[in-house]
Amino acid sequence: AQTVTQSQPEMSVQEAETVTLSCTYDTSESDYYLFWYKQPPSRQMILVIRQEAYKQQNATENRFSVNFQKAAKSFSLKISDSQLGDAAMYFCASVRDYGGSQGNLIFGKGTKLSVKP
Amino acid sequence: NAGVTQTPKFQVLKTGQSMTLQCAQDMNHNSMYWYRQDPGMGLRLIYYSASEGTTDKGEVPNGYNVSRLNKREFSLRLESAAPSQTSVYFCASSGIQGLTDTQYFGPGTRLTVL
Repeated sequence: AQTVTQSQPEMSVQEAETVTLSCTYDTSESDYYLFWYKQPPSRQMILVIRQEAYKQQNATENRFSVNFQKAAKSFSLKISDSQLGDAAMYFCASVRDYGGSQGNLIFGKGTKLSVKP
Repeated sequence: NAGVTQTPKFQVLKTGQSMTLQCAQDMNHNSMYWYRQDPGMGLRLIYYSASEGTTDKGEVPNGYNVSRLNKREFSLRLESAAPSQTSVYFCASSGIQGLTDTQYFGPGTRLTVL
C-alpha cells in the first residue's frame, strides 16, 4: 500500500524563527509529484508547494522550501521567518500509483503547527 | 473565478436519511475528486472522475455514489446515511489526468449523522 508518514503530530515555533516539518513516503513510481498543503482553522486546503520528483532542485515558494531526498523518500518542509498566519495543519501528500487512478493523492495524517508570538 | 465551490457547508442528518453533496468548478478542469477527512486520518479518496462521463472508486467508496453531471459538476450521494459517515467532505479538481496533477480544493462540507 502507498503510504505517507508525518512523524510529528504537533510542532511549535517562535514567531520569526524557522521550523522544519518532516514527511516520508513510499511509491513504486520513478516519476511523481509531492505536495504540501496547509489547512488553517477555516478548513480550506491550500497548496503550499509542490515538487517534481525528476527535478533535483528543491522547490521554493517565498518563505517555504522543501528538502527533497529522493533516495531516502523524504520530503520535508521548511518555513522561514514564521508568521502567526502560518499556524495551521500541514499535510504532506504524494501521488498514488495504482490502476488508473494515478492522479489521486495519498495524504499523511498531518502536523499541527503552532506559532508563538 | 470562484475555483471549487461546495454546497452545503454544514448538514445534520438522521441515520437512514439520504442527501447529495454538490461540487462545481470553474477552472475547466478535467478531473474531479471527493475526499473525506476524519480526525487523525488525513484525507482519503472516496470517488474520482478522470473526465466527463467517467467515475471510479477510490479508497473508501462504500456507502456512496457519485455523478459527473457535466465537466463542471461532480456530486456525491449518501443513499442511507450512517453515523460512520460523519466527517468533513472535500471536493477537488485538477487540470489533467496523470502524475502532474495539482489538485485544488473546495471549502468542505461538515456532515453529522445522528
